[in-house]
Amino acid sequence: SQKIEQNSEALNIQEGKTATLTCNYTNYSPAYLQWYRQDPGRGPVFLLLIRENEKEKRKERLKVTFDTTLKQSLFHITASQPADSATYLCALFSSASKIIFGSGTRLSIRP
Amino acid sequence: DAGVIQSPRHEVTEMGQEVTLRCKPISGHNSLFWYRQTMMRGLELLIYFNNNVPIDDSGMPEDRFSAKMPNASFSTLKIQPSEPRDSAVYFCASSLARGGHMTPEAFFGQGTRLTVV
Repeated sequence: SQKIEQNSEALNIQEGKTATLTCNYTNYSPAYLQWYRQDPGRGPVFLLLIRENEKEKRKERLKVTFDTTLKQSLFHITASQPADSATYLCALFSSASKIIFGSGTRLSIRP
Repeated sequence: DAGVIQSPRHEVTEMGQEVTLRCKPISGHNSLFWYRQTMMRGLELLIYFNNNVPIDDSGMPEDRFSAKMPNASFSTLKIQPSEPRDSAVYFCASSLARGGHMTPEAFFGQGTRLTVV
């Protein structure tokens, strides 16, 4: 069956360091992979999308990589700040055009 | 645009009662998704519509759950009868499909926190 795994439930890092979150998937051949941010009490908010023919995408301090051979995406936040503390979700389009989400990684940036 | 609007924000109901959650998608969007979020199971897709037509309801947990989209600007998710295990945050999201291909960015509402006692 199709599965998305974000293998860190929680990640704590020091302010200023680079946070790296991992998303692995099985039994998918997604055309896109997305990353969302969710703050407590709010809905997820779209951050970045990367296509299957793109290896890397950047937006300000965010960088996403997509390795279709490894079936893995990495999400990096450079120069992390306490305001980056949130839950980050990866999401895939299944073959039926459904948007399926991983379980999320709760990121905490300590000052 | 005000974004995706869900109501109510919070709902507390007794077991056995009917619950109706409402969603107004972003104007012009033609795909609508209902998700349920719990600590144990994360964000689960329940059902999604394209052009007001239900495309996939395989995530709907039981016959007690039903969803409708009578027009492009309104959708409901109904639980009848409700049970304590239905307690969760229910999100509605909308997206725009162009030329038969989905624009992948989904816009979420604030969610409805449902508590069934």
